[in-house]
Amino acid sequence: QVQLQESGPGLVRPSETLSLTCTVSGDYLGTYYWSWVRQSPGKGLEWIGYAHYSGTTNHNPSLKSRVTVSQDTSNNQFSLRLTSVTAADTAVYYCARASQTTIFRPAGQTTTYFLDHWGQGTLVTVSS
Amino acid sequence: QSVLTQPPSASETPGQRVSISCSGSSSNIGSNTVSWYHHIPGRAPKLLMYNTYQRPSGVPDRFSGSKSGTSASLAISGLQSEDEGDYYCAAWGGSLNGYVFGTGTKVTVL
Repeated sequence: QVQLQESGPGLVRPSETLSLTCTVSGDYLGTYYWSWVRQSPGKGLEWIGYAHYSGTTNHNPSLKSRVTVSQDTSNNQFSLRLTSVTAADTAVYYCARASQTTIFRPAGQTTTYFLDHWGQGTLVTVSS
Repeated sequence: QSVLTQPPSASETPGQRVSISCSGSSSNIGSNTVSWYHHIPGRAPKLLMYNTYQRPSGVPDRFSGSKSGTSASLAISGLQSEDEGDYYCAAWGGSLNGYVFGTGTKVTVL
């Protein structure tokens, strides 16, 4: 049974760096795209990004260059790093396992991406 | 902000059918498959549908997904009290947007 658990500080000061770790059990960090999603108070879900064991990473362009998702395969963990945080980054942060496939056709390509296992989430508040 | 638009709420009595729409564009739903999630605040979101029509193991066949052009829908038949919560559609939005979620629909069982 795949389980994910987020850990990290619950309070981060403005302009500092938010760092979270997700520990994976029941699976290993191969094949899948290990992802982060957040939900700000009163708002919907927002995809942050992912890291794949191949070294491929991707992130939400709206977060520009502030976000880094990385893997630590030796500890079966992956991490989120978000720099220069503001109050707008206050949210419940979820880690999740994702699958992604892309089919190429003459008319174009079709991408399937979905998150099938999630952590319980951890609240991070940005405040001085 | 979300690029996939959903109605903010939907409600129905137990046993009835409710449908949730998700409107996107050619760069997301029009080109890629759709997934749906059920989220109860304070708990982990749960995958309900992936690849537009497929249900993960354990999701009852009361849930069904469909897509036409740049819009998708999730239908829940035989509505139960445990179906209450927030429902989100999502799709890959290409390199410019990444994975995009819908605005979310709160389902209430009357």
